[in-house]
Amino acid sequence: KAGVTQTPRYLIKTRGQQVTLSCSPISGHRSVSWYQQTPGQGLQFLFEYFSETQRNKGNFPGRFSGRQFSNSRSEMNVSTLELGDSALYLCASSQIGQGAYEQYFGPGTRLTVT
Amino acid sequence: AQSVTQLDSQVPVFEEAPVELRCNYSSSVSVYLFWYVQYPNQGLQLLLKYLSGSTLVKGINGFEAEFNKSQTSFHLRKPSVHISDTAEYFCAVIRSGNTPLVFGKGTRLSVIA
Repeated sequence: KAGVTQTPRYLIKTRGQQVTLSCSPISGHRSVSWYQQTPGQGLQFLFEYFSETQRNKGNFPGRFSGRQFSNSRSEMNVSTLELGDSALYLCASSQIGQGAYEQYFGPGTRLTVT
Repeated sequence: AQSVTQLDSQVPVFEEAPVELRCNYSSSVSVYLFWYVQYPNQGLQLLLKYLSGSTLVKGINGFEAEFNKSQTSFHLRKPSVHISDTAEYFCAVIRSGNTPLVFGKGTRLSVIA
């Protein structure tokens, strides 16, 4: 079974631009969660989607948004990029949701904002 | 709100020596506990998890962890480490139900030959 894939793996953007990251979950998994990883703040939860609906949301500004498609693939968008948005963005999928179900992580997209 | 404290940000240890990575959590309700490992330029991989039952949990790569409810701890141990264990280790907690994982800040394990 193929793992979680994220594209692109690396991205360089300029302040003020917007960016879209993509995540393809493991086949059969309906829940996709996004996390931001930075050296200062560590791993922080962004949001979770299940069956095309946002089920949970972390404490991030409205510039961060996401969506999920009917095939469970998910995208996250960051508008008006700031230098502080430079981070590794990780996507995780699970069969039904969070809680006891194991989340499988992708390799991440490393975003650099200059 | 729940939180996770990993008491050591860096742990150097010689090859074949034992290691313990410490994790404490705060929560007034039942939780599920996890340890993840992250190798350089990779995502997170689940090492082990505690959901219920036996407080000693065995995971992959020879790691184990013990859930201690009275001390709200979930320390990770390995009796003999290898160079390949060099990585960052994250403790995480989640409340039952559909709530997000909360991660600790991570412990960087460096195994010295």
